Amino acid sequence: EAQVTQNPRYLITVTGKKLTVTCSQNMNHEYMSWYRQDPGLGLRQIYYSMNVEVTDKGDVPEGYKVSRKEKRNFPLILESPSPNQTSLYFCASGILGGGYTFGSGTRLTVV
Amino acid sequence: QQQVKQSPQSLIVQKGGISIINCAYENTAFDYFPWYQQFPGKGPALLIAIRPDVSEKKEGRFTISFNKSAKQFSLHIMDSQPGDSATYFCAAGGGAQKLVFGQGTRLTINP
Repeated sequence: EAQVTQNPRYLITVTGKKLTVTCSQNMNHEYMSWYRQDPGLGLRQIYYSMNVEVTDKGDVPEGYKVSRKEKRNFPLILESPSPNQTSLYFCASGILGGGYTFGSGTRLTVV
Repeated sequence: QQQVKQSPQSLIVQKGGISIINCAYENTAFDYFPWYQQFPGKGPALLIAIRPDVSEKKEGRFTISFNKSAKQFSLHIMDSQPGDSATYFCAAGGGAQKLVFGQGTRLTINP
């Protein structure tokens, strides 16, 4: 089944403790992206990648890192999480002109 | 700033009625305008998309109307059904990379 898989689905962590949210897609898509969803703000793009080793900032990149060492994987790294990063995170993948396929989301709480 | 403004924030429609959600964008370089549907606990799913070389696209009960000169586009759901109750997001961008989303509309279809 064609899909974008994120892990974990739920995560509660403490301020400052480094964490990684994994994302993997099995559709051989060139493009991958991370979004955060907050009430009233819609989905805001954090980072995106156009291919292996090619990444760029989205609209809200502060406090996040990404890497794209393999085509199928695009992990999101929070090196020092803060409470304002509490949010619902989505990974997505796609092809040029084809839109994005989204994962099921990771609900992160930073206390 | 690349913004997409979506309205209304919430919408209640009677079963069988027409649901209309509107979006406006600023960046004239945008050439891809998708609509996504999101159910609770799920990631957004691509519903329908349009490019600026056409003014309307219809897929079943869902229609996108696009007005390039006004930089506006809208989603029309004909014969709305309770199963259409979801949050809808418009988006605009250049293909699959830097996709900018609206704030979302929570649609409720009353039986």
